Amino acid sequence: DTAVSQTPKYLVTQMGNDKSIKCEQNLGHDTMYWYKQDSKKFLKIMFSYNNKELIINETVPNRFSPKSPDKAHLNLHINSLELGDSAVYFCASSQRSGGARDTQYFGPGTRLTVL
Amino acid sequence: GNSVTQMEGPVTLSEEAFLTINCTYTATGYPSLFWYVQYPGEGLQLLLKATKADDKGSNKGFEATYRKETTSFHLEKGSVQVSDSAVYFCALSSTNAGKSTFGDGTTLTVKP
Repeated sequence: DTAVSQTPKYLVTQMGNDKSIKCEQNLGHDTMYWYKQDSKKFLKIMFSYNNKELIINETVPNRFSPKSPDKAHLNLHINSLELGDSAVYFCASSQRSGGARDTQYFGPGTRLTVL
Repeated sequence: GNSVTQMEGPVTLSEEAFLTINCTYTATGYPSLFWYVQYPGEGLQLLLKATKADDKGSNKGFEATYRKETTSFHLEKGSVQVSDSAVYFCALSSTNAGKSTFGDGTTLTVKP
């Protein structure tokens, strides 16, 4: 069984479009995250939700809007896509927010290419 | 704030060579320390972790020891294989920060 799943795996779209990425975890975790990984493999946290409540928003442009309908799902909607949004986006989950011993479990990633 | 500094890559080794990837950290409180590995085309996965000073994490032949006196958590493996080729991330997690802090990643390529 896949612990953290994301759809789609690949997303190719034109500048200016709006797109969504979905994430689901079946681990029963309370906390979910979105990360952006650039072409140099640098990993940057974007958002974190704990029990459907936004707890971390790392100065991400307003064009990015996360939504958590329940604690097992965290979606990411991106408006007016720009070339610089091209990256791999990872969803992750952990048992608790900021728990000192909490391992993060990552999804397989969504490779977004903006043309 | 918290920070993690790890050895710049890329690192290229021959099969059966000894591997060290250095990682140092800055944190308040008592963080837990992690190494994650990202194989090509995949997400990150936990390789090993240590939750307190002098703990040693180990998995798949990799080891790292939590050194509070030198604020380090260096990753080592005695004999690398081609299948170890991946990107390795050092990370820390502390309760007061509410999130994990990742290093920049080190790309390892092992050649036969």
